[in-house]
Amino acid sequence: NAGVTQTPKFQVLKTGQSMTLQCAQDMNHEYMSWYRQDPGMGLRLIHYSVGAGITDQGEVPNGYNVSRSTTEDFPLRLLSAAPSQTSVYFCASSPDPWGTEAFFGQGTRLTVV
Amino acid sequence: DAKTTQPTSMDCAEGRAANLPCNHSTISGNEYVYWYRQIHSQGPQYIIHGLKNNETNEMASLIITEDRKSSTLILPHATLRDTAVYYCIVRPYTGTASKLTFGTGTRLQVTL
Repeated sequence: NAGVTQTPKFQVLKTGQSMTLQCAQDMNHEYMSWYRQDPGMGLRLIHYSVGAGITDQGEVPNGYNVSRSTTEDFPLRLLSAAPSQTSVYFCASSPDPWGTEAFFGQGTRLTVV
Repeated sequence: DAKTTQPTSMDCAEGRAANLPCNHSTISGNEYVYWYRQIHSQGPQYIIHGLKNNETNEMASLIITEDRKSSTLILPHATLRDTAVYYCIVRPYTGTASKLTFGTGTRLQVTL
């Protein structure tokens, strides 16, 4: 069972570069979300989606874009990477509309130099 | 969403019960208590949730006080693999879409 799959697992970017973090789930969940986790801190919500074509901002959305063209995929785009975006990024999906019992991916460790 | 307070860290001997407390004194009537854990470098894992009755599943038990201002997650026979950061989260089960608000949690160290 694949569950929630994130790619890549590791990435190094130069300041100003853009990239897309991929997230795919095979559980037909409507709700998906992106979090970031900085060292020694809890997770903070970046963006979320309650279904294909619907997205909304979380706690820390600046510098990130998302789209949800299919139920399965929820990519996170960094428009112009900054060192402050160095973090571990987690994607999650949930079988209920409110993202409560969430299944998380294994994370993408991003370093911006 | 209501704020939660957890101890920063706890130790537990392998094979013993691990009791992790959480205070949520401002919890409102429609808010559930959720527990997640994060094993080092992995994504968080859902453990259990409850409203006001005690709950048990294959992983843990959740005890919520009668006034619902605090709760305890119980791992009945802790193993080394239970070493993780445990997050207590309070949020409504229904309504607007989620914001699972993760604090800094309790770092549980299970030792031999």
